[in-house]
Amino acid sequence: EAQVTQNPRYLITVTGKKLTVTCSQNMNHEYMSWYRQDPGLGLRQIYYSMNVEVTDKGDVPEGYKVSRKEKRNFPLILESPSPNQTSLYFCASRGHPAGSQYFGPGTRLTVL
Amino acid sequence: AQTVTQSQPEMSVQEAETVTLSCTYDTSESDYYLFWYKQPPSRQMILVIRQEAYKQQNATENRFSVNFQKAAKSFSLKISDSQLGDAAMYFCAYRPGGDADGLTFGKGTHLIIQP
Repeated sequence: EAQVTQNPRYLITVTGKKLTVTCSQNMNHEYMSWYRQDPGLGLRQIYYSMNVEVTDKGDVPEGYKVSRKEKRNFPLILESPSPNQTSLYFCASRGHPAGSQYFGPGTRLTVL
Repeated sequence: AQTVTQSQPEMSVQEAETVTLSCTYDTSESDYYLFWYKQPPSRQMILVIRQEAYKQQNATENRFSVNFQKAAKSFSLKISDSQLGDAAMYFCAYRPGGDADGLTFGKGTHLIIQP
Protein backbone atom coordinates (compact mmCIF):
# COMPACT_ATOMS: atom_id res chain seq x y z
CA GLU A 1 0.00 0.00 0.00
CA ALA A 2 1.31 3.43 -1.00
CA GLN A 3 1.67 5.52 2.11
CA VAL A 4 3.52 8.05 4.18
CA THR A 5 4.26 6.89 7.72
CA GLN A 6 5.27 8.90 10.75
CA ASN A 7 6.56 7.85 14.13
CA PRO A 8 5.75 8.38 16.88
CA ARG A 9 2.10 9.32 16.48
CA TYR A 10 1.96 10.88 19.93
CA LEU A 11 4.78 12.27 22.01
CA ILE A 12 4.93 14.14 25.29
CA THR A 13 8.33 15.49 26.22
CA VAL A 14 9.98 18.19 28.30
CA THR A 15 11.68 21.40 27.32
CA GLY A 16 15.20 20.91 26.00
CA LYS A 17 15.13 17.16 25.45
CA LYS A 18 16.18 16.43 21.88
CA LEU A 19 13.72 14.44 19.82
CA THR A 20 13.30 13.11 16.30
CA VAL A 21 10.09 12.45 14.43
CA THR A 22 10.60 10.03 11.59
CA CYS A 23 8.88 10.13 8.21
CA SER A 24 9.06 7.48 5.53
CA GLN A 25 7.34 7.06 2.17
CA ASN A 26 7.22 3.99 -0.05
CA MET A 27 6.23 5.72 -3.29
CA ASN A 28 9.74 6.66 -4.49
CA HIS A 29 8.73 10.31 -4.24
CA GLU A 30 11.36 12.98 -4.76
CA TYR A 31 9.68 15.77 -2.81
CA MET A 32 9.12 15.57 0.94
CA SER A 33 8.13 18.20 3.45
CA TRP A 34 7.08 18.91 7.02
CA TYR A 35 4.14 21.03 8.16
CA ARG A 36 2.81 22.02 11.51
CA GLN A 37 -0.85 22.69 12.24
CA ASP A 38 -1.92 25.09 14.97
CA PRO A 39 -5.39 26.38 15.89
CA GLY A 40 -6.06 29.70 14.24
CA LEU A 41 -2.87 29.55 12.21
CA GLY A 42 -3.64 26.62 9.95
CA LEU A 43 -0.95 24.50 8.31
CA ARG A 44 2.45 26.00 7.71
CA GLN A 45 5.46 24.47 6.02
CA ILE A 46 8.59 23.97 8.13
CA TYR A 47 11.12 22.45 5.71
CA TYR A 48 11.06 20.67 2.40
CA SER A 49 13.38 18.56 0.29
CA MET A 50 13.44 18.16 -3.47
CA ASN A 51 15.80 15.21 -3.45
CA VAL A 52 18.48 13.42 -1.45
CA GLU A 53 20.82 15.89 0.24
CA VAL A 54 18.72 18.86 -0.99
CA THR A 55 16.68 20.66 1.68
CA ASP A 56 15.31 24.15 2.06
CA LYS A 57 13.45 26.25 4.58
CA GLY A 58 9.73 26.68 4.52
CA ASP A 59 7.75 29.38 6.30
CA VAL A 60 8.54 28.48 9.92
CA PRO A 61 11.95 26.72 10.10
CA GLU A 62 13.23 28.19 13.38
CA GLY A 63 13.94 25.55 16.00
CA TYR A 64 13.88 22.62 13.58
CA LYS A 65 16.40 20.62 11.57
CA VAL A 66 15.93 18.06 8.83
CA SER A 67 18.08 15.71 6.82
CA ARG A 68 17.55 13.71 3.63
CA LYS A 69 20.16 11.00 3.42
CA GLU A 70 17.86 8.49 1.73
CA LYS A 71 15.08 9.15 -0.74
CA ARG A 72 12.41 7.46 1.36
CA ASN A 73 13.19 9.09 4.74
CA PHE A 74 12.91 12.67 5.93
CA PRO A 75 13.25 12.98 9.73
CA LEU A 76 12.36 16.14 11.64
CA ILE A 77 14.71 16.98 14.49
CA LEU A 78 13.99 19.26 17.43
CA GLU A 79 17.34 19.72 19.17
CA SER A 80 15.98 21.74 22.09
CA PRO A 81 12.18 21.65 22.05
CA SER A 82 10.21 24.46 23.64
CA PRO A 83 6.53 24.69 24.62
CA ASN A 84 5.75 26.83 21.55
CA GLN A 85 6.59 23.80 19.41
CA THR A 86 3.62 21.94 20.82
CA SER A 87 1.66 21.20 17.68
CA LEU A 88 0.34 18.63 15.24
CA TYR A 89 3.05 17.76 12.72
CA PHE A 90 2.53 16.34 9.26
CA CYS A 91 4.98 14.88 6.81
CA ALA A 92 4.03 14.97 3.12
CA SER A 93 5.49 13.71 -0.12
CA ARG A 94 4.91 14.06 -3.86
CA GLY A 95 6.46 12.42 -6.84
CA HIS A 96 7.16 15.18 -9.36
CA PRO A 97 6.72 18.93 -9.89
CA ALA A 98 3.12 18.57 -11.00
CA GLY A 99 2.23 15.97 -8.39
CA SER A 100 -0.10 16.29 -5.43
CA GLN A 101 1.12 16.16 -1.84
CA TYR A 102 0.12 13.10 0.16
CA PHE A 103 0.19 13.44 3.91
CA GLY A 104 1.18 11.12 6.70
CA PRO A 105 -1.17 10.49 9.64
CA GLY A 106 0.29 13.25 11.82
CA THR A 107 2.30 13.37 15.04
CA ARG A 108 0.82 15.08 18.06
CA LEU A 109 3.71 16.64 20.02
CA THR A 110 3.38 18.18 23.46
CA VAL A 111 6.36 19.96 25.00
CA LEU A 112 6.00 20.63 28.71
CA ALA B 1 2.76 36.44 -1.14
CA GLN B 2 -0.08 34.15 -1.97
CA THR B 3 -3.13 34.04 0.25
CA VAL B 4 -6.03 31.62 0.41
CA THR B 5 -9.33 32.67 1.97
CA GLN B 6 -12.17 30.44 3.07
CA SER B 7 -14.96 32.76 4.17
CA GLN B 8 -17.22 30.11 5.71
CA PRO B 9 -15.89 28.87 9.07
CA GLU B 10 -18.77 26.40 9.30
CA MET B 11 -21.40 24.96 6.99
CA SER B 12 -24.28 22.59 7.64
CA VAL B 13 -26.14 20.43 5.14
CA GLN B 14 -28.78 17.72 5.27
CA GLU B 15 -27.70 14.25 4.34
CA ALA B 16 -28.20 13.58 0.60
CA GLU B 17 -28.28 17.29 -0.19
CA THR B 18 -25.68 19.31 -2.08
CA VAL B 19 -23.33 21.81 -0.46
CA THR B 20 -20.78 24.23 -1.87
CA LEU B 21 -17.70 25.39 0.02
CA SER B 22 -16.07 28.64 -1.08
CA CYS B 23 -12.43 29.48 -1.58
CA THR B 24 -10.70 32.49 -3.08
CA TYR B 25 -7.00 32.99 -3.56
CA ASP B 26 -4.64 35.72 -4.52
CA THR B 27 -1.60 35.20 -6.72
CA SER B 28 0.32 36.88 -9.49
CA GLU B 29 1.48 33.53 -10.89
CA SER B 30 0.02 32.07 -14.08
CA ASP B 31 1.10 28.49 -13.37
CA TYR B 32 -0.26 26.96 -10.19
CA TYR B 33 -2.30 24.17 -8.67
CA LEU B 34 -5.29 24.22 -6.37
CA PHE B 35 -6.38 21.50 -3.99
CA TRP B 36 -9.10 20.60 -1.56
CA TYR B 37 -8.12 18.49 1.43
CA LYS B 38 -10.43 16.84 3.93
CA GLN B 39 -9.48 16.48 7.59
CA PRO B 40 -11.86 14.19 9.52
CA PRO B 41 -11.73 13.83 13.31
CA SER B 42 -8.84 11.36 12.89
CA ARG B 43 -6.79 14.44 11.82
CA GLN B 44 -5.51 12.70 8.69
CA MET B 45 -5.17 15.10 5.71
CA ILE B 46 -6.86 13.47 2.73
CA LEU B 47 -6.62 14.81 -0.80
CA VAL B 48 -10.12 15.27 -2.22
CA ILE B 49 -9.53 16.92 -5.57
CA ARG B 50 -7.00 19.00 -7.50
CA GLN B 51 -7.13 21.50 -10.34
CA GLU B 52 -4.36 22.66 -12.63
CA ALA B 53 -4.64 26.37 -13.46
CA TYR B 54 -3.97 25.80 -17.16
CA LYS B 55 -6.95 23.48 -17.47
CA GLN B 56 -10.26 25.14 -18.26
CA GLN B 57 -12.28 22.04 -17.48
CA ASN B 58 -13.41 21.75 -13.89
CA ALA B 59 -12.10 18.71 -12.03
CA THR B 60 -14.52 16.03 -10.86
CA GLU B 61 -14.01 13.06 -8.52
CA ASN B 62 -17.18 11.06 -8.01
CA ARG B 63 -19.48 13.20 -5.80
CA PHE B 64 -16.92 15.99 -5.55
CA SER B 65 -16.51 18.68 -8.18
CA VAL B 66 -15.00 22.12 -8.35
CA ASN B 67 -16.00 25.40 -9.93
CA PHE B 68 -12.73 27.00 -10.98
CA GLN B 69 -13.04 30.63 -12.02
CA LYS B 70 -9.51 31.70 -12.89
CA ALA B 71 -10.23 35.35 -13.62
CA ALA B 72 -12.12 35.72 -10.36
CA LYS B 73 -9.52 33.63 -8.50
CA SER B 74 -12.25 31.46 -7.09
CA PHE B 75 -12.15 27.71 -6.45
CA SER B 76 -15.28 26.31 -4.82
CA LEU B 77 -15.94 22.69 -3.90
CA LYS B 78 -19.32 21.10 -4.50
CA ILE B 79 -20.27 17.95 -2.65
CA SER B 80 -23.28 16.18 -4.08
CA ASP B 81 -25.42 13.61 -2.25
CA SER B 82 -23.77 14.47 1.08
CA GLN B 83 -23.03 11.53 3.33
CA LEU B 84 -22.37 11.34 7.06
CA GLY B 85 -18.77 10.38 6.29
CA ASP B 86 -18.26 13.73 4.57
CA ALA B 87 -18.36 15.51 7.93
CA ALA B 88 -14.90 17.03 8.39
CA MET B 89 -12.80 20.16 8.10
CA TYR B 90 -12.15 21.08 4.49
CA PHE B 91 -9.08 23.03 3.50
CA CYS B 92 -8.44 24.81 0.24
CA ALA B 93 -4.77 24.97 -0.73
CA TYR B 94 -2.63 26.63 -3.37
CA ARG B 95 0.77 25.73 -4.75
CA PRO B 96 2.74 27.59 -7.43
CA GLY B 97 4.04 25.66 -10.41
CA GLY B 98 7.59 24.43 -10.94
CA ASP B 99 9.78 23.19 -8.13
CA ALA B 100 8.07 25.26 -5.45
CA ASP B 101 6.83 22.83 -2.82
CA GLY B 102 4.97 24.76 -0.17
CA LEU B 103 1.21 24.59 0.02
CA THR B 104 -0.59 27.71 1.22
CA PHE B 105 -3.73 26.69 3.08
CA GLY B 106 -6.93 28.48 3.91
CA LYS B 107 -8.20 28.44 7.50
CA GLY B 108 -10.71 25.71 6.74
CA THR B 109 -14.46 25.16 6.70
CA HIS B 110 -16.07 22.84 9.22
CA LEU B 111 -18.73 20.82 7.39
CA ILE B 112 -21.56 19.35 9.45
CA ILE B 113 -23.86 16.73 7.96
CA GLN B 114 -27.34 16.62 9.49
CA PRO B 115 -28.92 13.14 9.37
